[in-house]
Amino acid sequence: DGGITQSPKYLFRKEGQNVTLSCEQNLNHDAMYWYRQDPGQGLRLIYYSQIVNDFQKGDIAEGYSVSREKKESFPLTVTSAQKNPTAFYLCASSIVLLGRGAHEQFFGPGTRLTVL
Amino acid sequence: GIQVEQSPPDLILQEGANSTLRCNFSDSVNNLQWFHQNPWGQLINLFYIPSGTKQNGRLSATTVATERYSLLYISSSQTTDSGVYFCAVERGTNAGKSTFGDGTTLTVKP
Repeated sequence: DGGITQSPKYLFRKEGQNVTLSCEQNLNHDAMYWYRQDPGQGLRLIYYSQIVNDFQKGDIAEGYSVSREKKESFPLTVTSAQKNPTAFYLCASSIVLLGRGAHEQFFGPGTRLTVL
Repeated sequence: GIQVEQSPPDLILQEGANSTLRCNFSDSVNNLQWFHQNPWGQLINLFYIPSGTKQNGRLSATTVATERYSLLYISSSQTTDSGVYFCAVERGTNAGKSTFGDGTTLTVKP
């Protein structure tokens, strides 16, 4: 089936540890995104990538890092520098229409990260 | 940056009722999407609608880009329609920063 997968579904981390969240898509989409959602709030953009080996900071990039070595993969590392990492993390992908902006974004099922 | 406001923040309906959700945005956009977030957190695409009107079953959406708003209509609501509805907009000519509203939480009672 075509789609976006995220793993793990739930993740527990001790303070001071880095953790990496996985996001894979087999939709052949060019662009990929990471969002953070806190309870009762909307989504905030962490990082996005339009092409392989290139990515840009979103609105809340501090304390996070990403890589885009393959078109289908966009892992997110939550570093110990992120002061309040407990949240729901959502990955998305979309096709880029050059000169027209992103097409529809499609989302994975998310990863719930809890810092103990 | 662009501001996105959704109203109402909360909405409680009896099953079978109709509703209208609104999304206002502060600047011109070239992309607008409506999503439904189910109780498990999954965002489900409802409409990609930067302008015009679309319908899908009991749901329809209209975006008036020149007046900077979009409306999502839900007719004959069902308990499975409960959840949070988000609109998201994007400006610019390159794939990039989407801005989400804070959502409308819909509760449909049997």
